[in-house]
Amino acid sequence: NAGVTQTPKFRVLKTGQSMTLLCAQDMNHEYMYWYRQDPGMGLRLIHYSVGEGTTAKGEVPDGYNVSRLKKQNFLLGLESAAPSQTSVYFCATFRARLAGGLTETQYFGPGTRLLVL
Amino acid sequence: DQQVKQNSPSLSVQEGRISILNCDYTNSMFDYFLWYKKYPAEGPTFLISISSIKDKNEDGRFTVFLNKSAKHLSLHIVPSQPGDSAVYFCAAVYGGRFGNEKLTFGTGTRLTIIP
Repeated sequence: NAGVTQTPKFRVLKTGQSMTLLCAQDMNHEYMYWYRQDPGMGLRLIHYSVGEGTTAKGEVPDGYNVSRLKKQNFLLGLESAAPSQTSVYFCATFRARLAGGLTETQYFGPGTRLLVL
Repeated sequence: DQQVKQNSPSLSVQEGRISILNCDYTNSMFDYFLWYKKYPAEGPTFLISISSIKDKNEDGRFTVFLNKSAKHLSLHIVPSQPGDSAVYFCAAVYGGRFGNEKLTFGTGTRLTIIP
């Protein structure tokens, strides 16, 4: 049971290059999220998905695209990387709010460190 | 518009003493509040949460207090241990309709426990 895994762990890109970050989960959770963490900014939500085949924009979606073709995978794409996208990216999952209230919390992956030159 | 604020970027506490981390929020619709702990090169891990219908929740050495009228919550760690040195994030969520479980995070407080 690996929980939430992220691939790759670290990547260096040149401005204008593209790449895809992969998040995989084996907990059968419905919801998946992509965050970025920058110094002094906390974690900011980029995009999220409430189920297979669905995606929605978060707080800072510009420059990113996502896809959730399979329930266990959530992909984050950068079509044309910019230095402003240098950050640490975290994927998170969440099962769903149960009738009695919030009994679970989000589970985070270990992060992907991206440097755009 | 920062809806969840942690105004202290860092905090140093002697081992064995109490650590108090603070968090303020502006959105009165938030119905759950959570604290996450993050070590370097790892993802955040859940620490403790509190529902908006409560004013206190305890879990071992960790206690979270919620003051709804002041829109303020705090995390108390007693006694503080060296392993508590980490960055602590406050987060808030409101359920809304099904499918709206988005956490809003504060900017984090780096806690250093001095041996």
